[in-house]
Amino acid sequence: AQKITQTQPGMFVQEKEAVTLDCTYDTSDPSYGLFWYKQPSSGEMIFLIYQGSYDQQNATEGRYSLNFQKARKSANLVISASQLGDSAMYFCAMRDSGAGSYQLTFGKGTKLSVIP
Amino acid sequence: NAGVTQTPKFQVLKTGQSMTLQCAQDMNHEYMSWYRQDPGMGLRLIHYSVGAGITDQGEVPNGYNVSRSTTEDFPLRLLSAAPSQTSVYFCASSYSHRESYEQYFGPGTRLTVT
Repeated sequence: AQKITQTQPGMFVQEKEAVTLDCTYDTSDPSYGLFWYKQPSSGEMIFLIYQGSYDQQNATEGRYSLNFQKARKSANLVISASQLGDSAMYFCAMRDSGAGSYQLTFGKGTKLSVIP
Repeated sequence: NAGVTQTPKFQVLKTGQSMTLQCAQDMNHEYMSWYRQDPGMGLRLIHYSVGAGITDQGEVPNGYNVSRSTTEDFPLRLLSAAPSQTSVYFCASSYSHRESYEQYFGPGTRLTVT
């Protein structure tokens, strides 16, 4: 079973509008971290935002916020006031104990295109 | 800080050749890992290390070896390259192996095996 599911292969958003990228996860560990990374066309992986499983409040970093619904096992990324530079692949990832590896498990990504 | 560096950026190999992808970090991070990224997929873990002298296998370890003799360096060796190993390889590091620490990624190595 997939541990991270991103159901939107591609999304379009108008410049200056807000957009939500969906992510659901599956783990039996009580302690885990959820991460979002951005991968522009240049290829590097850029860390955007982190949410811990015990955090009471949703994480925010500038224009990025994470809508964390623990009971639904969902960790959606919200980008406010989209900019042309936001066009990229976005990956949701989870880090749990993973049988000792503490690896990041990635979803397949969502390609976001910002329209001027 | 240079962060996580990887060399080379691009490499073309013939089937059966061997090579080493280099990875170094200058942040004194405990945890280092290698991922591969194939088209239409997220990243998959190849090998990881929780400290100098300690390595273990990830999700897709076949055909690759690693060692970690220093905190800073974590090279990935392809023993006998196969076309199925054509991919983009990312090295990553984090301060700790614990789940609350983000991993910092290198710029990637694009490998083609013909």
